[in-house]
Amino acid sequence: QVQLVQSGAEVKKPGASVKVSCKASGYTFTTYYIHWVRQAPGQGLEWMGIINPSGGSTTYAQSFQGRVTMTRDTSTSTVYMELSSLRSEDTAVYYCARTYSSSSAVDSWGQGTLVTVSS
Amino acid sequence: QSVLTQPPSASGTPGQRVTISCSGSSSNIGGNPVNWYQQLPGTAPKLLIYSNNQRPSGVPDRFSGSKSGTSASLAISGLQSEDEADYYCAAWDDSLNGPVFGGGTKLTVL
Repeated sequence: QVQLVQSGAEVKKPGASVKVSCKASGYTFTTYYIHWVRQAPGQGLEWMGIINPSGGSTTYAQSFQGRVTMTRDTSTSTVYMELSSLRSEDTAVYYCARTYSSSSAVDSWGQGTLVTVSS
Repeated sequence: QSVLTQPPSASGTPGQRVTISCSGSSSNIGGNPVNWYQQLPGTAPKLLIYSNNQRPSGVPDRFSGSKSGTSASLAISGLQSEDEADYYCAAWDDSLNGPVFGGGTKLTVL
């Protein structure tokens, strides 16, 4: 069955960077896009960007431009999201999510990774 | 401030029918399909409705979706206690070149 398994919770200091992984299984890795969506405590869902695992092309939400980098490793079917210059407002659960095309509905989500930014 | 507008809360008693609205603009709902997600407490969202009114396999037919112009709605009939969750609408936005979400509606089953 389709699974997106994310790395574990992280605690970071302001100004640091965090790299979250998302390992895909149960389908052909390069045939689905991967989005990253975050959810601050008690808040709604916020789209961060998308990566095409086939060629590695990315599109980032404007609010994260310059701070986020999404990469993939096709040998391990893993996608990575790195967020730099962390601030307290970046404390959130980060989800990876799969779509068949860039604009289609998300049909599978990772379990989420809690990133806490605190001094 | 979310791009799509949803009521923050909704409620109903078991067996009732409730609807949740979602309002957008021509760059998102007006020109693209709407999807709905259900998020149970402490879990990742789950796809509930895609392409305005399609249910993925396994989603009960108590859940239905519709769209008209720049608005959409989710209807839940025969409300059950396990339906208590947060519900999010979403659509691709052609101006932002990415998906946008509603702020979420917390459904309480009284």
